[in-house]
Amino acid sequence: DVKVTQSSRYLVKRTGEKVFLECVQDMDHENMFWYRQDPGLGLRLIYFSYDVKMKEKGDIPEGYSVSREKKERFSLILESASTNQTSMYLCAAVSAGYNEAFFGQGTRLTVV
Amino acid sequence: KQEVTQIPAALSVPEGENLVLNCSFTDSAIYNLQWFRQDPGKGLTSLLLIQSSQREQTSGRLNASLDKSSGRSTLYIAASQPGDSATYLCAVGGQGGKLIFGQGTELSVKP
Repeated sequence: DVKVTQSSRYLVKRTGEKVFLECVQDMDHENMFWYRQDPGLGLRLIYFSYDVKMKEKGDIPEGYSVSREKKERFSLILESASTNQTSMYLCAAVSAGYNEAFFGQGTRLTVV
Repeated sequence: KQEVTQIPAALSVPEGENLVLNCSFTDSAIYNLQWFRQDPGKGLTSLLLIQSSQREQTSGRLNASLDKSSGRSTLYIAASQPGDSATYLCAVGGQGGKLIFGQGTELSVKP
C-alpha cells in the first residue's frame, strides 16, 4: 500500500507566520494534492501537482503556495497565516494510471 | 459543475444490521468513484475504488455499486459492527485524479 506521511498531526501558529506543511509519499506516484476540510464545507482542493516543479491551482488557492522539488515530497506553504486558515489539511497521492487516491493522516492547524 | 450529495447525513443502527449509504452526483462524466472512511480527527482511508467502466467492487463486508447513467453509487455494509462507526465519504474522480467529495455520512453502530 502507498503510505502518505504528513509531517505534523497538530500545529499551532500565530497570525502572520509563514507556515510549512510537509507531505511525503513512499511510492512513485506522479500526482499529489492538498485539500482542506472544514465543518459544513467538506473537502476542498487547494493545489495539486502532476510532476516535479509543476503546480496547478485548485478551487481555493488564495493565501497558499506549494513546492514540489522532489517527486515524493509536496509542501503546502501559508505565506502569512490568518485565523481563517485554521483547518484540517489533508495531502493525497494518486497513481497516474489507476487513479486510486491515498491520503495522509491529516494536519490540524490552528492559527491564533 | 460536478456536485456530490450523500444521504443520509447521519445514521445510527444497532449492531448486526445491514445498511446502505447513498451517494449521488450530477455529471456522469467521471473517471471513477471512491469510498473513504474517516475516523474523528484522522485522515481518509480508502475503502473501495470503482472505475467508470465497472459496476461494483467488493471488499470483505463492503460492497460498492456504481450506476453512472443515473449518477448514483451505494455502499453496502453487511453485519455492521461498532468498529464500523466513522464518517463515510464518497468522492468522484476526474481527470488527473482530482476528487470532488460529498459531505459524508456519519455512521454510529450501537452495541
